[in-house]
Amino acid sequence: NAGVTQTPKFQVLKTGQSMTLQCAQDMNHEYMSWYRQDPGMGLRLIHYSVGAGITDQGEVPNGYNVSRSTTEDFPLRLLSAAPSQTSVYFCASSGTGGASGNTIYFGEGSWLTVV
Amino acid sequence: AQSVAQPEDQVNVAEGNPLTVKCTYSVSGNPYLFWYVQYPNRGLQFLLKYITGDNLVKGSYGFEAEFNKSQTSFHLKKPSALVSDSALYFCAVRDLNSGYALNFGKGTSLLVTP
Repeated sequence: NAGVTQTPKFQVLKTGQSMTLQCAQDMNHEYMSWYRQDPGMGLRLIHYSVGAGITDQGEVPNGYNVSRSTTEDFPLRLLSAAPSQTSVYFCASSGTGGASGNTIYFGEGSWLTVV
Repeated sequence: AQSVAQPEDQVNVAEGNPLTVKCTYSVSGNPYLFWYVQYPNRGLQFLLKYITGDNLVKGSYGFEAEFNKSQTSFHLKKPSALVSDSALYFCAVRDLNSGYALNFGKGTSLLVTP
């Protein structure tokens, strides 16, 4: 199983550029979310989705947009990149049923540098 | 709000010795608690979770955690540490008000020396 797949793995952007981080899961999970990881701060929630067509803001949503047109995909868009958005981004998904219910699975991360 | 705290930035232990990585929680209602491990330049790997049931939870790679309601703690333990256990460990609690997303502690860096 592929699990949670994120692309790209590494990206360098110039200030003001826009880009989309892709996230796809093949586990038919209802819940998906995006986090950013910064040194000494753990992971902070950017946006989340409880199902196709439903998204909401997390702790640090400013500068980011999301959409959930299908169950499988949950892209994160940086509208106008700023150096403060230099970070590692993780996508995650979880279901509710079965032995793996309530377990949240993470992608391998996307390292983003804004110069 | 549901939150967890990891009071130690770094834990050092000699190979073969028992290890403990501490986590305390603050939640309203019953907590859904998790431990994840992160190796350098990698994603987070699930170790174990407490939802309900036995207070001692066994997980991957020989790790276990003890849920203590009176002390609001969920410490991660392993009887005999390996050098390969050196990594960053995160405690997390599920936030039922945010689509079941996780609120993470700041992480504890575990260093196991030969």
